[in-house]
Amino acid sequence: DGGITQSPKYLFRKEGQNVTLSCEQNLNHDAMYWYRQDPGQGLRLIYYSQIVNDFQKGDIAEGYSVSREKKESFPLTVTSAQKNPTAFYLCASSFSDAGRETQYFGPGTRLLVL
Amino acid sequence: AQSVAQPEDQVNVAEGNPLTVKCTYSVSGNPYLFWYVQYPNRGLQFLLKYITGDNLVKGSYGFEAEFNKSQTSFHLKKPSALVSDSALYFCAVRADTGGFKTIFGAGTRLFVKA
Repeated sequence: DGGITQSPKYLFRKEGQNVTLSCEQNLNHDAMYWYRQDPGQGLRLIYYSQIVNDFQKGDIAEGYSVSREKKESFPLTVTSAQKNPTAFYLCASSFSDAGRETQYFGPGTRLLVL
Repeated sequence: AQSVAQPEDQVNVAEGNPLTVKCTYSVSGNPYLFWYVQYPNRGLQFLLKYITGDNLVKGSYGFEAEFNKSQTSFHLKKPSALVSDSALYFCAVRADTGGFKTIFGAGTRLFVKA
């Protein structure tokens, strides 16, 4: 987990509420990623960013939004449009988005709906 | 289309015995292959990767994996299992033909009995 921090560890969302998950890295990595993990389904890509001020949708972007204003930070907002947000959310980063680069993961945020 | 299969949901092994966690893949182009481990409520930790060259890759904590191009497999192995190896293991693949997405398998839970 070293070098990538995620906060909070647990997050509770009420119906109709937007919530933001924080991801910060001090590895000087250009590329950052958000994944959603559900039991038995592996990891699914929500959004990724190759460089500052640029990001692309992954496989399950609906109901989520991101920003990349700084190289170190890639926050994820879970909007009220995401009807099934309960999951474990993982942020990752890599030196670049080249295929050979290893992705390094943060400790995760578990989102629960009240 | 890229895909990864981990055919076993769970692998049980006695401490001190060798372990194998299976992974097969499908990509267009040459693959980059990765193994990660996840402990409960934690992020993924990188174990090893195959990029090119020697088919036997050695990684962290005594793990190794063998790339078999003809069988499109990348099985994770360890000669002598420890109870502390009990965790969830993910295989992942990315192609060298470009594109940003890493495909993760659904995961295999390893249980090592003392």
